[in-house]
Amino acid sequence: GDSVTQMEGPVTLSEEAFLTINCTYTATGYPSLFWYVQYPGEGLQLLLKATKADDKGSNKGFEATYRKETTSFHLEKGSVQVSDSAVYFCALAQKTSYDKVIFGPGTSLSVIP
Amino acid sequence: EAEVAQSPRYKITEKSQAVAFWCDPISGHATLYWYRQILGQGPELLVQFQDESVVDDSQLPKDRFSAERLKGVDSTLKIQPAELGDSAMYLCASSLETSGVGEQFFGPGTRLTVL
Repeated sequence: GDSVTQMEGPVTLSEEAFLTINCTYTATGYPSLFWYVQYPGEGLQLLLKATKADDKGSNKGFEATYRKETTSFHLEKGSVQVSDSAVYFCALAQKTSYDKVIFGPGTSLSVIP
Repeated sequence: EAEVAQSPRYKITEKSQAVAFWCDPISGHATLYWYRQILGQGPELLVQFQDESVVDDSQLPKDRFSAERLKGVDSTLKIQPAELGDSAMYLCASSLETSGVGEQFFGPGTRLTVL
């Protein structure tokens, strides 16, 4: 079945450092790919998504590119802030009706001043 | 801004007791999801509704879990009897679209602790 693998956390960075969180997936066909973020005490919220190969999703300074050849969707940000401290989930979903979202295990990020 | 509401936010119960969680999705969202999130893991789908109909409950432990969405709006998830292994965060989400590619809007969750 479909699955998502993420780099293990926790990840601790200093403010203004460069961030990469690796995500790879296993799936048939061409699923849509997502990054969701969960801030402390809150539910998940969509950060960005890409629906086809070579698409780049971006939001709030975060970017991820859908790489079909490496089945990857790595999350990057050039300069992290303390407010980016959260848990980040990579996810995929097939484009058929009622197909569920498969979430990765999450990567915890802590940004220190 | 419209939000998904959940209650209670926290629930502590003893094993073998019954518990219930409530979710009110964003108005107009026909698709509603219940997820279980164990600490350190990603959310796992328990049940998906399209309006009042269940379209996926393949991962729902039906011997003890039940879910309903009688009028196609708010929803209740029940566990009876609760077991120690049910301790987790229970998340509700809603979406405008029927497929998983649509953005899902999550509530804050209910943290369940079973003693």
